[in-house]
Amino acid sequence: HLQLLESGPGLLKPSETLSLTCTVSDVSISSKSYFWGWVRQPPGKGLEWIATIHYSGNTYSNPSLKSRVTMSVDMSNQQFSLRLTSVTAADTATYYCARLYDGLGGFKYFDDWGQGMLVTVSS
Amino acid sequence: SDELTQPPSVSVSPGQTARITCSGDSLPRKYAYWYQQKSGQAPVLVIFEDRKRPSGIPERFSGSSAGTVATLTINGAQVDDEADYFCYSTDSNTNPLFGGGTKLTVL
Repeated sequence: HLQLLESGPGLLKPSETLSLTCTVSDVSISSKSYFWGWVRQPPGKGLEWIATIHYSGNTYSNPSLKSRVTMSVDMSNQQFSLRLTSVTAADTATYYCARLYDGLGGFKYFDDWGQGMLVTVSS
Repeated sequence: SDELTQPPSVSVSPGQTARITCSGDSLPRKYAYWYQQKSGQAPVLVIFEDRKRPSGIPERFSGSSAGTVATLTINGAQVDDEADYFCYSTDSNTNPLFGGGTKLTVL
């Protein structure tokens, strides 16, 4: 059964760079049918897609965050990562890594999620 | 516009049918998906491709879509179904898009 585990610092200061890693277990990260992504959820609010990556290296980012977001994949370690630069208090959220399945008609959807990790930005 | 609109809250008594709607101009051309998120937990997929149910999801959960409105129906809602529910689809650029979420209260 797929396991996704987020790791990284839980507290950042404004203007710093957020770096998170998701470790994938029990499923190959290089499967053609799957993409890998990040979603965040500010406290008490809804879900916001951040970015998606395929093992081939193709990446897609939320236009509202695109200038600050970088994703990468490390197939040898079964990991994918997120970098978000110049963080502010508005970036405080629970960050989830998740798998996207390339489903019917090419529609991709999140079919499995990590447990989530709270990242707080505060001076 | 690329938005998915949900009611902020829905409330039902145990055993009643709960219906949560999701409105979006692109839904006639896109599939709708639904996630359940209980307090302090990660979202769980309960409906995919408008009406399909993942293995392990109870039969009381069903989905439908007509025109610009997708609906999640919970027949015989239970106290354990109390959660936030998010609809999901893709925008005009095929990027992931979530609705604002609906808080379901069962009491």
